[in-house]
Amino acid sequence: NAGVTQTPKFQVLKTGQSMTLQCAQDMNHEYMSWYRQDPGMGLRLIHYSVGAGITDQGEVPNGYNVSRSTTEDFPLRLLSAAPSQTSVYFCASSYLPRAGSPLHFGNGTRLTVT
Amino acid sequence: GQSLEQPSEVTAVEGAIVQINCTYQTSGFYGLSWYQQHDGGAPTFLSYNGLDGLEETGRFSSFLSRSDSYGYLLLQELQMKDSASYFCAAPHNFNKFYFGSGTKLNVKP
Repeated sequence: NAGVTQTPKFQVLKTGQSMTLQCAQDMNHEYMSWYRQDPGMGLRLIHYSVGAGITDQGEVPNGYNVSRSTTEDFPLRLLSAAPSQTSVYFCASSYLPRAGSPLHFGNGTRLTVT
Repeated sequence: GQSLEQPSEVTAVEGAIVQINCTYQTSGFYGLSWYQQHDGGAPTFLSYNGLDGLEETGRFSSFLSRSDSYGYLLLQELQMKDSASYFCAAPHNFNKFYFGSGTKLNVKP
């Protein structure tokens, strides 16, 4: 059982470039989400999805797009990278979008924008 | 809005007991969860409190008081491997999971 798989693990972009961070889960979880983690700021929610075809914004959605065409995949797109998007990105999923349903995290993507 | 406040850093010695506090303000309340994250790793789920009181899982316990908007994580018999960051988390509007800024626990021999 792979759990939540994120690719790539590391990425360096130049300002203005675009890229997609991939996230896939094999646990048949309905709920998926993206977080960014910056030093001293904890985890901040970017976007989330409660099922295929349904997405919504979190705390810090600007500069990011998402889509959910299947239950398994939830890619995060940076359309025009900026240095402020340098961060560690985590994808997380859970069985139900409820407080008592644990979030399962991927190993993260470390993104640097120069 | 929603906010979860935690101390930024706590230091304790091996074998001791440490308490990590979390105070929250939420729009609606659907429970408080705790996560552990080692340096360079992914957060992992530790515990959940939906109702007031204490939940125990081995050396770790978590407590919730909804009337005080307060919870804590209690770690007993501290081990060096417990050195990590600990986050409280709660849903906002039912399905947006927000995290506190985290408490870095340093366990010293």
